Amino acid sequence: GNSVTQMEGPVTLSEEAFLTINCTYTATGYPSLFWYVQYPGEGLQLLLKATKADDKGSNKGFEATYRKETTSFHLEKGSVQVSDSAVYFCALSGLDTGRRALTFGSGTRLQVQP
Amino acid sequence: DTGVSQDPRHKITKRGQNVTFRCDPISEHNRLYWYRQTLGQGPEFLTYFQNEAQLEKSRLLSDRFSAERPKGSFSTLEIQRTEQGDSAMYLCASSLGGGAGEQYFGPGTRLTVT
Repeated sequence: GNSVTQMEGPVTLSEEAFLTINCTYTATGYPSLFWYVQYPGEGLQLLLKATKADDKGSNKGFEATYRKETTSFHLEKGSVQVSDSAVYFCALSGLDTGRRALTFGSGTRLQVQP
Repeated sequence: DTGVSQDPRHKITKRGQNVTFRCDPISEHNRLYWYRQTLGQGPEFLTYFQNEAQLEKSRLLSDRFSAERPKGSFSTLEIQRTEQGDSAMYLCASSLGGGAGEQYFGPGTRLTVT
């Protein structure tokens, strides 16, 4: 079945540091890939998405590239801010195999210090 | 445009009682999903509706759980004879047909079973 593996947190960075959160997946076919973010006390928000190999999703300075050869979708940001402190979830959807449910990783907590 | 709403936001109940949660999706979305999230984990899929039809159920959805979506609008999730292991955040999401399959989440209902 489908699965998503994320690097364990917490990840603690200083403001303006470079961020990478690793995500790898196992799936049949060609899943769509997503990053969701959960700020303290709030619901899950869609951050970015990619639907096919070599697609780059981007939003709010965050980027992730769909790498089919390495089955990865790592999240990056060049300069983090304190306001980026949140839990980040990588997820996939197996639309091409008829499975609409999202499969999530366990989440990575990011703490950005001033 | 309002987002996905859920009611109640918090529910405390005694073991053995029944509880019911409500989800109102984004108005033009025809697909609705329920997930469960426990502390430190990513959301896990429970069930999915397209309009009023329940098309997929997870093995996590024991016979004590039932979900409905009458008339293809709001949905309810009922848990009968609650157990302490049911304590979790219950998330609702909705999506349009087509696209990458991205889902939009509500704030969740936190259930505590004492």
